Amino acid sequence: EPEVTQTPSHQVTQMGQEVILRCVPISNHLYFYWYRQILGQKVEFLVSFYNNEISEKSEIFDDQFSVERPDGSNFTLKIRSTKLEDSAMYFCASSEMSGHSSSYEQYFGPGTRLTVT
Amino acid sequence: KNQVEQSPQSLIILEGKNCTLQCNYTVSPFSNLRWYKQDTGRGPVSLTIMTFSENTKSNGRYTATLDADTKQSSLHITASQLSDSASYICVVSSGGYNKLIFGAGTRLAVHP
Repeated sequence: EPEVTQTPSHQVTQMGQEVILRCVPISNHLYFYWYRQILGQKVEFLVSFYNNEISEKSEIFDDQFSVERPDGSNFTLKIRSTKLEDSAMYFCASSEMSGHSSSYEQYFGPGTRLTVT
Repeated sequence: KNQVEQSPQSLIILEGKNCTLQCNYTVSPFSNLRWYKQDTGRGPVSLTIMTFSENTKSNGRYTATLDADTKQSSLHITASQLSDSASYICVVSSGGYNKLIFGAGTRLAVHP
């Protein structure tokens, strides 16, 4: 069964450093998402991406964040200058389509745990 | 403000018993409501998705209900198993690009 994969599973970085989190969505999917979950808190939407551009972003997704689909398979989240409060689990998700139908499922990857020291 | 509230926060039941988890939401625009299961340290896995016109949907031992008028949903788990121990998260999808708004989840522990 196809699945969303994410690398690395755990990333430790120092405050102020840049990090790139990588995701490989399911191959025929067209919509891509990043979410984060701070330890013990709710999962929060960061950004959605379609047709090589951001379709929606949250207030969390400020100028320090960027997303890219550098080739036909990878989808990346870059944090330019990490802060302590960026420590969280970051989940990538993808869906075949989007809209109101109940068939537009989002499939989540296993997550990357980012620790900023 | 878009919000999804769940109760109870945590629940302990014995293996084989049934349980029902609750969800209330205030989200606009509303696209659909989903229930996810999340094991510790893993990504959420979808259990059910319902649009506003669907009142109930089942997936094996999981049955979700939706009352779009009162903006309430429930997830009923039948004949619980030890492997059901996880967080169950109510999620409302908003807008055409399906931005997901998550509840805090109910942490379920099934004991032998």
